[in-house]
Order: sequence, then C-alpha cells, then structure tokens
Amino acid sequence: DAKTTQPPSMDCAEGRAANLPCNHSTISGNEYVYWYRQIHSQGPQYIIHGLKNNETNEMASLIITEDRKSSTLILPHATLRDTAVYYCIVSYNHRGGATNKLIFGTGTLLAVQP
Amino acid sequence: KAGVTQTPRYLIKTRGQQVTLSCSPISGHRSVSWYQQTPGQGLQFLFEYFSETQRNKGNFPGRFSGRQFSNSRSEMNVSTLELGDSALYLCASSLQVASAGHNEQFFGPGTRLTVL
Repeated sequence: DAKTTQPPSMDCAEGRAANLPCNHSTISGNEYVYWYRQIHSQGPQYIIHGLKNNETNEMASLIITEDRKSSTLILPHATLRDTAVYYCIVSYNHRGGATNKLIFGTGTLLAVQP
Repeated sequence: KAGVTQTPRYLIKTRGQQVTLSCSPISGHRSVSWYQQTPGQGLQFLFEYFSETQRNKGNFPGRFSGRQFSNSRSEMNVSTLELGDSALYLCASSLQVASAGHNEQFFGPGTRLTVL
C-alpha cells in the first residue's frame, strides 16, 4: 500500500502558485519523498525529490516539514500544461541496497483554470 | 538522447491468448521496471530488472513474467489473458538500481492492451 495521502483534486488559476500537499506520517529515516506527475495518456514524469531539506529545480519546489511527516510541492506559476495527476511517493533509496520500486497512491488531479 | 520506447503502442487480444510487450530503455540505463495502470487499481508495480536479474516483483499472478537482455532491453509476457488484464503497461528505466540522493526514473509512453 502507498505510504502517502493526498487530496484527490485541486484547482489553481493560471499564473498562480499551485501548492500540493502530501502526508507521509510513517516515513522512515532513510526514505526519500518523490514527486511525479502524469499528464493524460502519457507515462509519469519525474518532478523532484528530497530527503530532509527543501529542494528546488527548474520545475518546482519541495518543502518537507521538519518532522518529515508531510511535504508540499509548489509549482510557482502554474500553466494550463501543468494540468495532470501529481503523485507523491515515498521510496527507499540507499546506495547499493535499494530498488527502483515505486508505490503509487491515487495522486492529486490538479486542474489549472484559465 | 532517445527516451524510453515501448512496442507495440496498442494491442488487442482475446481471452486465453498470450502477449509479449517490449521496452527499450534509455541508452546507458541498466534498470528497467514495469507497471500496470488500470482505472480501478491505478499504477501498480509489476517487476524490476537490473543486469538481466529480477530484483523485485509485485503482487501479480505467475501469468505475468518478464526478462531482461544483455543490452538492457526488456520484455514482459502475460499468458492466458483475462479481461482484467486490459490496462496500460508502462516501462520505466533508470541509470542503475540505486544511487543515494537521486534515482530518477524515466517512463515510456506505455502499451495499451485491450483483452476482448
């Protein structure tokens, strides 16, 4: 079973920041938080990942709470093309011993409105 | 660099038949994972291969099998097809099994299998 809980859907106005929450209260110390998104009829696309610290890349920012029990994905200026299902995934990742297995939950359908 | 390719993109089979799906990972990637996506169950992990060895397997019946070749290309096979096997089958490739700090997976467009 997925170790994350996300709201099933959210709306966001185009040009505004989209803040997508995720709860992962049972996360272990060596587990990373990954975010992927899936645009309709395409394969999932990696967005960002983090362990403890906040992370930012060209697509988004990831804010992880100090106790690591929840996180927020931020799309700073949402566009219509950001409409997709966003998956928050907790994945074990340790050098030499992990697998690439991802356990997807139901995700959040983000609808960006014009 | 070319992305993950999957063939065929669409497939129609009848119950009882078997099917083989193919996945070519990104050049240099050695890990390939397979997922099944259905409206009812969402995205579910099938199996993962690295260096021709199955490293992990999801909770699917033995009718689902896979393999990986020396060039990292992978195939999955479903025997004795059932109506419930209708799904989008996705393949993902990654540079290696695990790398502390970053383990991005690249997904292909999927193969849409319809079982009649």
